[in-house]
Amino acid sequence: DTAVSQTPKYLVTQMGNDKSIKCEQNLGHDTMYWYKQDSKKFLKIMFSYNNKELIINETVPNRFSPKSPDKAHLNLHINSLELGDSAVYFCASSPGTVYGYTFGSGTRLTVV
Amino acid sequence: EDQVTQSPEALRLQEGESSSLNCSYTVSGLRGLFWYRQDPGKGPEFLFTLYSAGEEKEKERLKATLTKKESFLHITAPKPEDSATYLCAVRVNQAGTALIFGKGTTLSVSS
Repeated sequence: DTAVSQTPKYLVTQMGNDKSIKCEQNLGHDTMYWYKQDSKKFLKIMFSYNNKELIINETVPNRFSPKSPDKAHLNLHINSLELGDSAVYFCASSPGTVYGYTFGSGTRLTVV
Repeated sequence: EDQVTQSPEALRLQEGESSSLNCSYTVSGLRGLFWYRQDPGKGPEFLFTLYSAGEEKEKERLKATLTKKESFLHITAPKPEDSATYLCAVRVNQAGTALIFGKGTTLSVSS
């Protein structure tokens, strides 16, 4: 009965590959987010969807493409992976844009 | 530019030694300040939300306070299980923005 679940938890891949990370929430929240946490633990917003509509799209390389098939799911596809993409990616959700977030447990992406 | 700064970056305490973590913010309009706890290998876990200066929230050994420029997370008589990274985040009064996080304070409590 995990509230926000991400898969996979670990992802090791070679430069140039394409990979996807999946996120699902069972909280009935309307808004979902992708954050990137670097090696110094700094969390930075990447994208946000509200009811399947993209509402935040920070300065992120266009190799990153989010997709929200319904309000309970938000996936992240990354093309042509680079060494600098190595980080922990967190999915989060909230009941609306003014509330605090519930985070998933993260996906540690390592590009070699 | 909206900014959140946490200090210290790291803090080591003995069990029972009370202290405070600081979160200072420079934002265009504050709509809420959030404290999270993050354990290694896990996602941030929500602790408190504060909305206006003078507000205080408590949970077990933790107490969060808010002024117009900063927030403090007071830890009273900490235990080793309080060891974690504590993250502060703000929501600003601007549509189309998400929580802005500080870089966190890593707390280690030894017995």
